[in-house]
Amino acid sequence: RKEVEQDPGPFNVPEGATVAFNCTYSNSASQSFFWYRQDCRKEPKLLMSVYSSGNEDGRFTAQLNRASQYISLLIRDSKLSDSATYLCVVNMRSFGYALNFGKGTSLLVTP
Amino acid sequence: NAGVTQTPKFQVLKTGQSMTLQCAQDMNHNSMYWYRQDPGMGLRLIYYSASEGTTDKGEVPNGYNVSRLNKREFSLRLESAAPSQTSVYFCASSDFRGSNEQFFGPGTRLTVL
Repeated sequence: RKEVEQDPGPFNVPEGATVAFNCTYSNSASQSFFWYRQDCRKEPKLLMSVYSSGNEDGRFTAQLNRASQYISLLIRDSKLSDSATYLCVVNMRSFGYALNFGKGTSLLVTP
Repeated sequence: NAGVTQTPKFQVLKTGQSMTLQCAQDMNHNSMYWYRQDPGMGLRLIYYSASEGTTDKGEVPNGYNVSRLNKREFSLRLESAAPSQTSVYFCASSDFRGSNEQFFGPGTRLTVL
């Protein structure tokens, strides 16, 4: 079973473009939601938490729709340095609040 | 402040050999986790330790054992390695349950021949 589903991409976009990633989760009891970023062969790092009211961090905006069990990430004015894999993550209350990861969406920003 | 450290970074084993992956954190976190990451599968939870002195199975515990040696250290042992255990192993830690960020170590890349 895979409880967190993402489009694997890859998304190839030019610098300056706006790109959106979507994610769905199946466990309605999930309480915490995140986007992590993973660079090639490196460890995942927290990009931002996702709140029901929506939240923004510079060029990044995250949205959560609990009714639809849907999470999104919007990246505006893409930079070359945004090239990475973006992981949609929810917590697993049943496993000591460990994280349940989507397979990730690959983004390549080109000059 | 090193965060989460893991040793070794790389390891090659033969089928049937054993080894222990070491993980340590210096952030005084209560909870620690072991994940494996395989191509096309995403990260999957092997074992976790919600607090010092406790360990529990995650999604894919077969073939592994863990020890929470103290609050800082959480090791993962492969008793008899199999090719199916070829993977990248990440250790992570977090402070409180739920909404707090998990911090990951740099990973151990294990190949079992």
